[in-house]
Formats: sequence, structure tokens, C-alpha cells
Amino acid sequence: DAGVTQSPTHLIKTRGQHVTLRCSPISGHKSVSWYQQVLGQGPQFIFQYYEKEERGRGNFPDRFSARQFPNYSSELNVNALLLGDSALYLCASSLSGVTDGNTIYFGEGSWLTVV
Amino acid sequence: RKEVEQDPGPFNVPEGATVAFNCTYSNSASQSFFWYRQDCRKEPKLLMSVYSSGNEDGRFTAQLNRASQYISLLIRDSKLSDSATYLCVVTLSGGYQKVTFGIGTKLQVIP
Repeated sequence: DAGVTQSPTHLIKTRGQHVTLRCSPISGHKSVSWYQQVLGQGPQFIFQYYEKEERGRGNFPDRFSARQFPNYSSELNVNALLLGDSALYLCASSLSGVTDGNTIYFGEGSWLTVV
Repeated sequence: RKEVEQDPGPFNVPEGATVAFNCTYSNSASQSFFWYRQDCRKEPKLLMSVYSSGNEDGRFTAQLNRASQYISLLIRDSKLSDSATYLCVVTLSGGYQKVTFGIGTKLQVIP
């Protein structure tokens, strides 16, 4: 079975531009979460979606938005990119994401560089 | 105080050594605990869940101490391939599964 897939794997954007990152969860998983990992830090929670509804939001500005589609895939959008948005963006999927104890599985991530 | 605290290291240990990492968490209502391993420029991968009764997987042993709010990871007979960053993960449910990562502890096993 395919794991969590993300695209693109690497991209370079200019300050002020917009970016869309995509994620497909493991088959059967209904919850998708997004994390930002800056070099030297642990992943920071951005959003969680379950059954196409936003269930949780981390401490990120409104420039960050996301959505989940009927097939449970997800997009993360970032507007007005700043240099500080340069990071590894990780998508994670889990079975439900609303009950505790669910193991989360990560995709390989999207490396975003803002210049 | 950070929600999840880890010593970032690096821990440089010789092959065959035993090494232990600790992680403390601030929210006593936290419910589930995990160790993830992250290789350089790769995604985190689940190493093991952590239970109060302690659990062992080969050379790896994880322990949870709820009273003191810390979890530990012990690696015996270190291999070169164990070199990685080990992330402590704590979760809390309240409408959604809030997942908090520590900064990670870097381990370098030296020949």
C-alpha cells in the first residue's frame, strides 16, 4: 500500500508569492495534519483536518490555510510568502485523528525555499 | 516553559555503547507518547509508542513516568545506523488529537 504522498518535493518561491502543497493520506485514513519544520527544530503543528472539516489549528498567521477534499487528500496554501516560511512542510495521516492513541504517519515532505 | 522539552545534544557515543534520552512534558493531561526517529533531511518515522509499563523493541526500551512527567528512550549496543535525531512526541485529545513534538535529540554513533 502507498504511504503518505506529498508534492512537490522541492520548490523555490520568491517573497510575496503564493504556494500550494498537496498531500494524499494513506488509504483508509480520514485525518490529515500539516506541520512546519524549520531546520534544527521539531515539527510545529499547523492544521488538522478530519472528514473535510478543520479540527485544529496551530499558532500560524492567516496567510496559512488548508482544506481537505472528499477523497481525503489535502492542500496547504501559504500566501504572501516570507523568508521565514522556508522550511520542510510535512503532511501526516492517521485513521481518525480525533481519538487519542492514533499513530500518525508522515509523508516525505515538501522542501520550500523562499528567496 | 515549553510543552515538550528535550536536550538537543548532540550525543556522540561509540559503537556498542548504551545511551539514554529523556524528554519532559508540561501538560499532565497528556495521553499518548511516542518516540519518532528522523534521519537527516527525511521525514520522521515512528520508532515506538511509550507506555507506563515500559516497552521494549529489540535494543530499544521506552519508559513513561506520569508522576514526574517524563519519558525516556534507552538504546543498547548502539549501531552506526542508529545515528539520527530522536523526536519525543506527546498527544492530547480535545476535539482533535493535538500532537506536540520536542526539538529532537541528535545522536551520532562513532566507529
